[in-house]
Amino acid sequence: SQQGEEDPQALSIQEGENATMNCSYKTSINNLQWYRQNSGRGLVHLILIRSNEREKHSGRLRVTLDTSKKSSSLLITASRAADTASYFCATSGNMLTFGGGTRLMVKP
Amino acid sequence: GAVVSQHPSRVICKSGTSVKIECRSLDFQATTMFWYRQFPKKSLMLMATSNEGSKATYEQGVEKDKFLINHASLTLSTLTVTSAHPEDSSFYICSARTSGALGELFFGEGSRLTVL
Repeated sequence: SQQGEEDPQALSIQEGENATMNCSYKTSINNLQWYRQNSGRGLVHLILIRSNEREKHSGRLRVTLDTSKKSSSLLITASRAADTASYFCATSGNMLTFGGGTRLMVKP
Repeated sequence: GAVVSQHPSRVICKSGTSVKIECRSLDFQATTMFWYRQFPKKSLMLMATSNEGSKATYEQGVEKDKFLINHASLTLSTLTVTSAHPEDSSFYICSARTSGALGELFFGEGSRLTVL
């Protein structure tokens, strides 16, 4: 079964808006990673947040981690049409386990 | 950043043939690599953990005789789909982990296998 579960499964927004995706997980983790995948392509590592960190920024990306709630969020600010992709969270404990993904569509 | 190269990116083969997919860590040594399978519009499913110099660890439900994994060096793991059938058509992705207790994973671009 999947460790991480993203919410929402699909998100459609207008260019310039912010997009927030959430990820919940079940067991303890070493770190949590967010990945992006364009249709038919491989995964691109976006950001890694360790279990002792609460928030991390990278460009237009902001990731938070709440280990007490076993959840993480990925915020993409000022979205662009090129941000259209599927976004996955993955948790690393003994192995890396992926959630089901959020399909983000940014309309120009 | 670390780069993982996967080859080939696309392969079409006839039913009954075998196909080998390579996963290379280009600028780091990876004692552990992972192979995933992804169905259309679905998430990645871990198939097996590839350990350098030892046998791979397969996830439940994955046929080890069908999906042969060899991790002969610290920079190369191969996945061979033996006697491929159309239901084996899928997107296969590998990842390699950097060393250390909090090693980071880097992924290949994936290989799309189509079995006719």
